Amino acid sequence: GQQLNQSPQSMFIQEGEDVSMNCTSSSIFNTWLWYKQDPGEGPVLLIALYKAGELTSNGRLTAQFGTTRKDSFLNISASIPSDVGIYFCAGGTQGGSEKLVFGKGTKLTVNP
Amino acid sequence: DAGVTQSPTHLIKTRGQQVTLRCSPKSGHDTVSWYQQALGQGPQFIFQYYEEEERQRGNFPDRFSGHQFPNYSSELNVNALLLGDSALYLCASSLGPHPGEQYFGPGTRLTVT
Repeated sequence: GQQLNQSPQSMFIQEGEDVSMNCTSSSIFNTWLWYKQDPGEGPVLLIALYKAGELTSNGRLTAQFGTTRKDSFLNISASIPSDVGIYFCAGGTQGGSEKLVFGKGTKLTVNP
Repeated sequence: DAGVTQSPTHLIKTRGQQVTLRCSPKSGHDTVSWYQQALGQGPQFIFQYYEEEERQRGNFPDRFSGHQFPNYSSELNVNALLLGDSALYLCASSLGPHPGEQYFGPGTRLTVT
């Protein structure tokens, strides 16, 4: 079945540093989504990407839809303590409103 | 703007029992998807409901069933509970079937003993 490989599994950074994480797949997706999940809560949508090569920003977050449609990247600039959490990538089929396939997440720790 | 709501928040059941989880979609959304998230894993797609019908199903046994009501709210039913069914059950809503994002509720934590 479809699987997403998300890396790194975890990151420990200092406040103010930039962060990069990525997601790769052997399958093509039509949509890439990035979510953040805090303990005991549901995932919160950060960025949605719909076109190969698309680069989209949301405040300090920037994500890109890979040109091969098999990968996506998320960057966080000037990290702050509230960026702590687990970041998930998700690939969407059929335009994204149907099944989402999730990676296993990148756990981010920010040291003040 | 009301977001996705789920009930109950937590639930403890015994093996072999049956459970019903409930979800109300975000205001304006008409499509509901259910996911199971085991500890330390990403959410796994169970199924999706649109126009009161199951549109797509993930790799889950028939013990998992659902329903969507005319007001777009949804239920997830799990029969003959197994220990391995212990997980966070997430509901996501979207404006489907058009391309778009899925917004998640806070989840229901199910523990099977």
